Amino acid sequence: QKEVEQNSGPLSVPEGAIASLNCTYSDRVSQSFFWYRQYSGKSPELIMSIYSNGDKEDGRFTAQLNKASQYVSLLIRDSQPSDSATYLCAVSRVNEKLTFGTGTRLTIIP
Amino acid sequence: GAVVSQHPSWVICKSGTSVKIECRSLDFQATTMFWYRQFPKQSLMLMATSNEGSKATYEQGVEKDKFLINHASLTLSTLTVTSAHPEDSSFYICSAKPGQGAADTQYFGPGTRLTVL
Repeated sequence: QKEVEQNSGPLSVPEGAIASLNCTYSDRVSQSFFWYRQYSGKSPELIMSIYSNGDKEDGRFTAQLNKASQYVSLLIRDSQPSDSATYLCAVSRVNEKLTFGTGTRLTIIP
Repeated sequence: GAVVSQHPSWVICKSGTSVKIECRSLDFQATTMFWYRQFPKQSLMLMATSNEGSKATYEQGVEKDKFLINHASLTLSTLTVTSAHPEDSSFYICSAKPGQGAADTQYFGPGTRLTVL
């Protein structure tokens, strides 16, 4: 069983719509949750971090965490072509290494 | 803030030679740095965790004698790929963590693309 699972996609979303990316994790002791965006040929870029249950909003991005269900998601509102990338979910325990999912490839269709 | 640089951004070398990659945290002190490798269309694979002033901790299956890591200061870690072979060709990415605690995030460098001929 993979420690962090993501739908590999590709996920295609029309420009202006909401893109919803999902991630589940197996380690119940996980405390820190991150979403990274990675453009092709580039390194990951931090989009959001979340540590408590509920929603966290930053501009067009909203991260949602449900520790009871071991589920974290990322919503992108008003999707733009520049949002087309691979989105990596990462999870860690306190002071420990990140465990990455395999990523979801998102394509925004103009 | 939280900028991490890597040098070089790309390198081509002959089989059997060694290559050194530098990772620097530019505007913060990094108590911990991480080295990852990423093959095409695959996710990041953690190679080792490096703490300033101590030996690196390597992940299972990563040869510590082949991938030498030195974290000599709070702003610099180096990865040396010794006796590189074509199968070592990959995208090597470092990340740096500012301090301790759950709130600390890893910030990634831009990566180094290594091609071994």
